[in-house]
Amino acid sequence: DAKTTQPPSMDCAEGRAANLPCNHSTISGNEYVYWYRQIHSQGPQYIIHGLKNNETNEMASLIITEDRKSSTLILPHATLRDTAVYYCIVIYNFNKFYFGSGTKLNVKP
Amino acid sequence: NAGVTQTPKFQVLKTGQSMTLQCAQDMNHEYMSWYRQDPGMGLRLIHYSVGAGITDQGEVPNGYNVSRSTTEDFPLRLLSAAPSQTSVYFCASSLGQGFGEQFFGPGTRLTVL
Repeated sequence: DAKTTQPPSMDCAEGRAANLPCNHSTISGNEYVYWYRQIHSQGPQYIIHGLKNNETNEMASLIITEDRKSSTLILPHATLRDTAVYYCIVIYNFNKFYFGSGTKLNVKP
Repeated sequence: NAGVTQTPKFQVLKTGQSMTLQCAQDMNHEYMSWYRQDPGMGLRLIHYSVGAGITDQGEVPNGYNVSRSTTEDFPLRLLSAAPSQTSVYFCASSLGQGFGEQFFGPGTRLTVL
């Protein structure tokens, strides 16, 4: 499974868009990109996933580059409750999810 | 639906003791898994199951046993607790092998002295 690289932390002003990058340069054609987040010490929460096309749901948007070597998770209007660790996961074998260290997003008032 | 439930929420063990962490889901999910999360780190997969009677190892299976006798329950057994097993343990479930949206339980915080 492809390895992912994420910045360890990012800051975002409340009400602004939060753009979280993820590099996955070794991704193969049938591997999906998943995003989860973990608020404080709770269990992780699924956000969104995609294969090739950009995706949007009620929580976020996922932008995948044309070569699929990187992606960006966008929270359109970040709130204080979005402060969390965000994990980018690239997976083909759904039996083996590997969570890295993620990006700690700090939303500030 | 209660979703994924885990018991106990907290547990303190002495080295060498054994115990079972309980996990149950009421969503009729086929796939269930156990993760551990050490301080400041991401989650690591311990064991998983694709259905009743079928289990397999994840990234860090040593020192743990699992069984899946029913669709609903997926207990994790620590055979002989060691301080290195001090961690937060999360159970998760999803519809099946092809579904990556996993639902996580609230976690069990285990301390081994």
